[in-house]
Order: sequence, then C-alpha cells, then structure tokens
Amino acid sequence: GQQLNQSPQSMFIQEGEDVSMNCTSSSIFNTWLWYKQDPGEGPVLLIALYKAGELTSNGRLTAQFGITRKDSFLNISASIPSDVGIYFCAGQAYDNNDMRFGAGTRLTVKP
Amino acid sequence: TAGITQAPTSQILAAGRSMTLRCTQDMRHNAMYWYRQDLGLGLRLIHYSNTAGTTGKGEVPDGYSVSRANTDDFPLTLASAVPSQTSVYFCASSIGQGQPQHFGDGTRLSIL
Repeated sequence: GQQLNQSPQSMFIQEGEDVSMNCTSSSIFNTWLWYKQDPGEGPVLLIALYKAGELTSNGRLTAQFGITRKDSFLNISASIPSDVGIYFCAGQAYDNNDMRFGAGTRLTVKP
Repeated sequence: TAGITQAPTSQILAAGRSMTLRCTQDMRHNAMYWYRQDLGLGLRLIHYSNTAGTTGKGEVPDGYSVSRANTDDFPLTLASAVPSQTSVYFCASSIGQGQPQHFGDGTRLSIL
C-alpha cells in the first residue's frame, strides 16, 4: 500500500519563528490533509486540500497540494507556544476509505 | 457538544480476554473508522464502515471485528487479546466516503 514519508520527525524552534514540514508519497492521492494532535487527544483537522497545486491558509497555517499529487507541505508562521504538538499529514484516494498517515512531526516551541 | 465519544478512555486487559471498545457519534456521519496509533507508525486503519449495515477491512484488520447496526455506533471487538494489540485506538467519522475524518479522543489499551 501507499507509504507516506513525513519530515522532519521533530523540530525545536523559538517562539516567533516560522516552521515548515512536508510529506511525500510513492503514490498519487486525491486529497491531502493536515492534522494536529495534542497529548491525550485525538487528531484535529487543520487543513484539507482537494486539487493539485491548491494553496490553502487557515490563520497562520498554510498548506499546499503538490503538482505531482505525491506531496504536500505545511507552513506555520510566527509560531506561538500553543503550536506545540504532533502534526500529521494524511493522504486519501478519491472514494477510498484507505486514508494513509505520515508518522508525524513533533513540534516544540520555546518561549 | 457534538462529536465522537469513545469509551473507555483507558483499559488494562489480560491476554486472551475479549474486549469491546465503544464509539458513538452524534453528527449523523455516514462513514466511521477505527485506527490504532503506535509510536513511530502514525495511525493505521483497522476497519471502516461506509454506512450502517456495511463494514470493510483496513490495513491491519487481523484480530479485530466491527459491527455497524445503526448510524451512530461503531464498536470494535478484540475476541482474544494479544500483547501486540497494546496501542491507542481512535475512532473517526466522516460525512461520507473520501471526506475529511474527525476523531475521538482515543482509548489507551494495554494487554498484559
């Protein structure tokens, strides 16, 4: 099945810095999604992307669906302490239940 | 607050015992899913249901069974638990197949 490679595995940044993480796949997806997970909670949907080349923002978050449909990135601008958590990318083929997840990027923000 | 409710929040279970993890959603979503989350592996799909009365196998279905008697409930059963099933289990739902999924807060299960 499709495998998603998410990088980096972890990041330690200073408050106010920008962050970038990305996800690549060996297969094509029709939908890319980015989730954030806080300790003891389930993943929460941040951004959903439906079209190759699509660039979507949600506040300080910006994500893009790669032209090849095999990659996506997430940027966080001007990080704040509450951005701490694990960020997951996920890819899904159209009309397919098999949503695949990356292994996550653990973000630490130092005040 | 609308959403997905999972129970129990955590459980310690002896190997060989059976266990049912409960999941209820009040969003009238058609599709529901069960994932397990293990360190370094992200989330992996166990079983899914596109609509009440139907179920399907995901990436890692062995040792698990599900049922979908109605729209709201999607229980996951371990018939005879083994230590490798120690994990955090998440239930999710979506409006329909292929749509963004929304997750519950998980059940942490330890098999000894």
